Amino acid sequence: DIQMTQSPSSLSASVGDRVTITCRASQGISSYLAWFQQKPGKAPKSLIYAASSLQSGVPSKFSGSGSGTDFTLTISSLQPEDFATYYCQQYNSYPYTFGQGTKLEIK
Amino acid sequence: EVQLVESGGGLVKPGGSLRLSCAASGFTFSTTWMNWVRQAPGKGLEWVGRIKIKSDGGATDYAAPVKGRFTISRDDSKNTLYLQMNSLNTEDTALYYCTTHPGWNYAWGQGTLVTVSS
Repeated sequence: DIQMTQSPSSLSASVGDRVTITCRASQGISSYLAWFQQKPGKAPKSLIYAASSLQSGVPSKFSGSGSGTDFTLTISSLQPEDFATYYCQQYNSYPYTFGQGTKLEIK
Repeated sequence: EVQLVESGGGLVKPGGSLRLSCAASGFTFSTTWMNWVRQAPGKGLEWVGRIKIKSDGGATDYAAPVKGRFTISRDDSKNTLYLQMNSLNTEDTALYYCTTHPGWNYAWGQGTLVTVSS
């Protein structure tokens, strides 16, 4: 199975900050990577697919990059509604696997 | 707008069975590969399995922990996805989400809670 490792596991930031979350795959996954946002008690919301393509309706403050094994999610100008847990998922090969999550908290 | 509404969760004893349903709308269900993903309380996300569309043979793939116990099926005439879960154990306790396939327009339902306890 492909292991997905996110870093950091948690992150404190202030409103207005720009943050970057990293996701590393244990083997190459081309660009078959998705990013999600999940708020407490809510279903995950898809943000990015194919490593860098924004889902419809997702603000451009979210951006993704990378290919192969190393990927990043960048969120610019943090707003209160952005504080949540973020996950990556590879869909290059079965079983599809998720990162362990990065909890973004308000400093 | 894509809508996925899961149902069928509940409390079941170890060794028991349960069938989850997912009613889909807002997209062409019959041409969309579908997945189930679960999340144990306070834990991360775990992919459960996927079913292809009929023209792709309707093939299924499963995660190792559920293979041989869970079966995914679909009824395109009802725009509904199913997850038949047998031989349930306490490790299967989770919120179960129905999702479209990863990629463009990747959508999730709100989930249905399955609790396995004696």
